[in-house]
Order: sequence, then C-alpha cells, then structure tokens
Amino acid sequence: EDQVTQSPEALRLQEGESSSLNCSYTVSGLRGLFWYRQDPGKGPEFLFTLYSAGEEKEKERLKATLTKKESFLHITAPKPEDSATYLCAVQAGGSGYALNFGKGTSLLVTP
Amino acid sequence: GAGVSQTPSNKVTEKGKYVELRCDPISGHTALYWYRQSLGQGPEFLIYFQGTGAADDSGLPNDRFFAVRPEGSVSTLKIQRTERGDSAVYLCASSFQGSWETQYFGPGTRLLVL
Repeated sequence: EDQVTQSPEALRLQEGESSSLNCSYTVSGLRGLFWYRQDPGKGPEFLFTLYSAGEEKEKERLKATLTKKESFLHITAPKPEDSATYLCAVQAGGSGYALNFGKGTSLLVTP
Repeated sequence: GAGVSQTPSNKVTEKGKYVELRCDPISGHTALYWYRQSLGQGPEFLIYFQGTGAADDSGLPNDRFFAVRPEGSVSTLKIQRTERGDSAVYLCASSFQGSWETQYFGPGTRLLVL
C-alpha cells in the first residue's frame, strides 16, 4: 500500500533560520511528487512537481529535491509570511490519477 | 484566469439531511477531482471525472456519497442522510487533461453536520 509520511509534524523557526521539511514515500511506480502550501481556511496552493530522482526545483526561498525514497523542501531565510502547512502528495502508477497526501508539516516563522 | 471555485463556502446541516456541494473548475480543464480533508489530516481522494464520466470513484466512502458532472464542467457532490462523521472540508481540484498533471485546488466547502 502506498504511504506518504511527512516530518516533522510542526516546526517553529525564527525569521532567517533555514531548515528542511521531509516527505518520505513508499509507492509502486512513482509518477510525480507534488508540494502544496495550505493557509488556514484555504485550499492547497501548488508549489512544485518533481518527476524523477535527482530533480530539483526552486521558487523564491523554497527549493524542492527528490530521491528514490524521499523529498525535501528546503526553506532558506524564511519570513513570517512563509508560515503555513506544507503538504506533500504522490501520484503512483498503480493508483490512477488520485493524489495520495501526507498529513503535512505546520510551519510557524516568528519575527 | 479564474481559479477553481466552490459553493457554498460553508454549510451547516442536521444529521440525516441531504446536501449538495458545487465545484466550478478552471475553464478548459477536462479533469475534475473531489477530496475530503479532516482536521489535521491531508486531503483524501474521493472521485475523479474525465469529462462527464466518473473515471475513478474508488475513494467514495459509501453509497450515501454520489457525484455528477453532466456537461463536463461544473460538478456536484451529493451526500444523502448526512452523519456527524461527514463533517470535513470538501475540496475540488481540476487539471487540464487528467493524467500525471498538476491539480489546482479550490478553496473548499466546510461542511458541519450537527
């Protein structure tokens, strides 16, 4: 059975304190790994898609990387506006087109 | 252009009642998905439409849940005989053609069953 595990569940950072969020997965036939940001009371907002091990993508202070077993979302010099829940999801060949989500990491960046 | 829209944004109902939740996908997107998100959890897949047909309904929890997309655009998720356990945020997403593409989510409908 496909599994997606995110860690830590919650993370508190000082503004400017860089860190990484982890998404480990067990799927048969990974088609794509997706990162979303979700603000309270809103729907998930798309950040990145990664398709193969070794791939990296960047957007502003965020950088996503992918290996055969896990993905990292690196946050460099975060600002308070980066506070949100970050969701990781996978699409697997044996599971149709549905996204299988982890529980998310709740990030709080304090001034 | 406009993103995915969902109505209502909030719905409060009583146990045993029938509810309908509406999703309007991004214009031109042929694939539409419904997910359900409980507090502190990631979204869970319910059903996927390609055009007018339900291509995958394996996530629907039981036969009280049903969804339609009669003209291949707007979709309605219908829940009969609601139960307190149905309380959650119901999210809709769309993608251009389905397949292994990015899904764009709407703001969700927060359903509370009293």
